[in-house]
Formats: sequence, structure tokens, C-alpha cells
Amino acid sequence: GQQLNQSPQSMFIQEGEDVSMNCTSSSIFNTWLWYKQDPGEGPVLLIALYKAGELTSNGRLTAQFGITRKDSFLNISASIPSDVGIYFCAGQALYSMGSARQLTFGSGTQLTVLP
Amino acid sequence: NAGVTQTPKFRILKIGQSMTLQCTQDMNHNYMYWYRQDPGMGLKLIYYSVGAGITDKGEVPNGYNVSRSTTEDFPLRLELAAPSQTSVYFCASSYSDGRNSPLHFGNGTRLTVT
Repeated sequence: GQQLNQSPQSMFIQEGEDVSMNCTSSSIFNTWLWYKQDPGEGPVLLIALYKAGELTSNGRLTAQFGITRKDSFLNISASIPSDVGIYFCAGQALYSMGSARQLTFGSGTQLTVLP
Repeated sequence: NAGVTQTPKFRILKIGQSMTLQCTQDMNHNYMYWYRQDPGMGLKLIYYSVGAGITDKGEVPNGYNVSRSTTEDFPLRLELAAPSQTSVYFCASSYSDGRNSPLHFGNGTRLTVT
């Protein structure tokens, strides 16, 4: 099946710092999604990207759909303690007809924000 | 709206025991899904349903069964628990199958099989 490589696996940053994480795929995707999972809860959708080259923001979060369609980046600016959690990327392959059941998830980036 | 509700939150099973993980949603969503999340791995789709009475296998269905008798409920059944089924299980739902219909996840059930 499809594989996504998400990096880094974990990050420790100081409050106020910016952070960047990315996902790469061996296959072309037509949709990239970024989720956040707080401890003890399910993932929540942060940003959805549908077009190569697209750059989308959600508050302090910015994500980009790579031009090659094989990668995506998530940046968080001016981190705060509530940014702590696991961030997942997910992609839908080309010609998947937009099916949620055909999502491939990355392994997650565990973010810790130090005061 | 409560959204997607999963019970129990935690469970420990002995090898060979059976159990049902409950999932219910109050958003009138047609589509429901079961995922498992293993440490250091992405979510893997176990089963999904596109409506009451219709279910289908996902990527990792072996060892599990599902049913969808109502729109609201989508229970996941483990008949003979094995250590390999130790995982965190997430139920999710969506209004449709389209790209603009995001998944809504429950808070998960942490299952340990010993």
C-alpha cells in the first residue's frame, strides 16, 4: 500500500519558537490533510490541502501542498504550551475519488513545548 | 451534539477472550470507520460502513467483525483476542465520502491483550 514518511518523529522546542514538520510519499497524492491529536483524544483536522502548490493558514499554522504532489509541510509559528500533541499528516492518492477510506496516515510528530 | 462517542476508554483482555468496542455518533453521518493506532505508526483502517446495513473491509480487517444495524452505531467485535490486537482503536464518522467532508474522531479505546 501507500507509505508516508513523516519527520521528525519528535520535537522539543521552547515556547515562542517556530516549528516545521513534513511528510513525503513515494506516490502522488491529490489531497493532503494535517491532524492534531491531544493526549487521550482523537485526531482533529487542522488544515486540508487540495491543490499542488497550495499554501493554507489556520491561525499560527501554515501548511503547503508540495509542487511534486509527493510532499507536504506544516509550520507552527510562535509556539505556545497548548500546541503540545501529536501531529499527523494524511494523504489521499490520485484517482481515489476523494474517499476518506483511502487515506494513508503518517506515523506522527510528537511535539513538546517547553516553558 | 456529543459527536462520536466510544466506550470503553480502556480495557484489558486475556488471550482468547472476546469483546465489543462500542461507537455511536449523533451527527446523522452516513459514513463510519474503525481505525487502529499502534505506537510509532499511522492510523490503519480496519472496517468502514457507507450506511446502515453496509460494511466493508479496510486495510487490516483480520480478527475483527463489524455490524451497522443503525445509522448511529458501528460496533467493532473481537472474537478471539490476540496480543497483536493490543492497540488504540478510533472510531470516526463523516457526512459523506467527499473531500470536503472531514472525519470526526472519537476519543479512542485503549485495548491491551495479555
